[in-house]
Amino acid sequence: QKEVEQDPGPLSVPEGAIVSLNCTYSNSAFQYFMWYRQYSRKGPELLMYTYSSGNKEDGRFTAQVDKSSKYISLFIRDSQPSDSATYLCAMSGDQAGTALIFGKGTTLSVSS
Amino acid sequence: GAGVSQSPSNKVTEKGKDVELRCDPISGHTALYWYRQSLGQGLEFLIYFQGNSAPDKSGLPSDRFSAERTGGSVSTLTIQRTQQEDSAVYLCASSLEAHSGNTIYFGEGSWLTVV
Repeated sequence: QKEVEQDPGPLSVPEGAIVSLNCTYSNSAFQYFMWYRQYSRKGPELLMYTYSSGNKEDGRFTAQVDKSSKYISLFIRDSQPSDSATYLCAMSGDQAGTALIFGKGTTLSVSS
Repeated sequence: GAGVSQSPSNKVTEKGKDVELRCDPISGHTALYWYRQSLGQGLEFLIYFQGNSAPDKSGLPSDRFSAERTGGSVSTLTIQRTQQEDSAVYLCASSLEAHSGNTIYFGEGSWLTVV
């Protein structure tokens, strides 16, 4: 079992839909959870950052972490064509220098 | 600089040649990371630097890969005797310090094609 599992999609939704993206993980030591967005031929950019369990909201984006289930989610409300990108979950433990472990990414396409 | 800068942005090289990829991190960031992203694969961790030291080289795929960082700033990733399987995007990132809680910022990547 890989440390981080993420369904690669592709996921296609109409404009205005609610999108749910998910990752599961196996390492209970993970404490930091992030979502990155990557447009075609660009570097990943940080979208959401959560420490430990709980929810975090930023505009149309909500990140959820359920450490008991080792499951994290990113919800996008009122999706826009500009949200079309690959979304990568990433996580790491608490020790200094611990590398971020990434999922393979989910490709999202929002049609107008 | 304003962001992480990588060069070259694109590189096509012949199998067996050596390549050097350069990364200039965000000013003031002491930690620097190299990742590799292959088609259909996630980001694969290669190596990180705290200052000029590389505490974790565990991700380097073979002894053909090496990296250095001088002056606590610019880093170079060198791939010797390139193979076709080395074709990928090489992403550099930096953060204030090498701690998990620090946000990591990525560059645009160096797209390497080995023919």
